[in-house]
Amino acid sequence: NAGVTQTPKFQVLKTGQSMTLQCAQDMNHNSMYWYRQDPGMGLRLIYYSASEGTTDKGEVPNGYNVSRLNKREFSLRLESAAPSQTSVYFCASSERLYSGNTIYFGEGSWLTVV
Amino acid sequence: LAKTTQPISMDSYEGQEVNITCSHNNIATNDYITWYQQFPSQGPRFIIQGYKTKVTNEVASLFIPADRKSSTLSLPRVSLSDTAVYYCLVSNNAGNMLTFGGGTRLMVKP
Repeated sequence: NAGVTQTPKFQVLKTGQSMTLQCAQDMNHNSMYWYRQDPGMGLRLIYYSASEGTTDKGEVPNGYNVSRLNKREFSLRLESAAPSQTSVYFCASSERLYSGNTIYFGEGSWLTVV
Repeated sequence: LAKTTQPISMDSYEGQEVNITCSHNNIATNDYITWYQQFPSQGPRFIIQGYKTKVTNEVASLFIPADRKSSTLSLPRVSLSDTAVYYCLVSNNAGNMLTFGGGTRLMVKP
C-alpha cells in the first residue's frame, strides 16, 4: 500500500528558483495538507484542501501556492525560493477535515535553499 | 495562540511508564483528541485517539478527564525504540484547521 507519496525526496535550490513538490494519495481521502517542519521544531500547516476543488491557507502560507489537481493529487509550489524556506515538507491526507479522522503522512521532502 | 500545550521534553528509562500530558483548554464539543508519534526523518504516525474517559490499544492508553481540557498519553514499559517526538492534536478554533503543537521530545535511556 503506497498511502501518501511525495516527490522529490531531496532537492537543493538556489535563491530565486522555483519548484513544485508533488503529492499523491491512494486512499480516496477528501482532505489533503502540506506541513513544514524546521529542524528541531514542530509541524506547521502551510495550506490545506478540505475537498477536491478547494484550498485554504494554514498558519504559514506566505511564499507558497498550492493546487488540488484532482482528488488524489495536491501540489505545493515555491515561486521564488528563499533560504528561510529550507525545511522538511510533509504532505498528508485524511478522510475528511475533522479531528476525528486519522491523518496519514508521506515520508517527507528535504528542501535546501542556498 | 497555541491550541495545545505540551512539555517540550521528557526523559525516562527503559521499562518505566511514561505519561505525557497535553493541555487543550479551548477544545470544541465535537473535537477528538489524537496523538501522533514521529521518529527522526519520518512523517508522524497515528498512535491513539479518544473523545472522553479512557481508550487503550496495543501500544498506549489515553486518559481524558470529564472537562476534556487536557489529555494524558500513557506509554507502558517504554523501550529505547520509543524515543521520539509525541504530538497531541485537536482542531483549530479557526475553521477547523488541523494544526500541531510543538510536541514532546521523549528520550528513553538504557
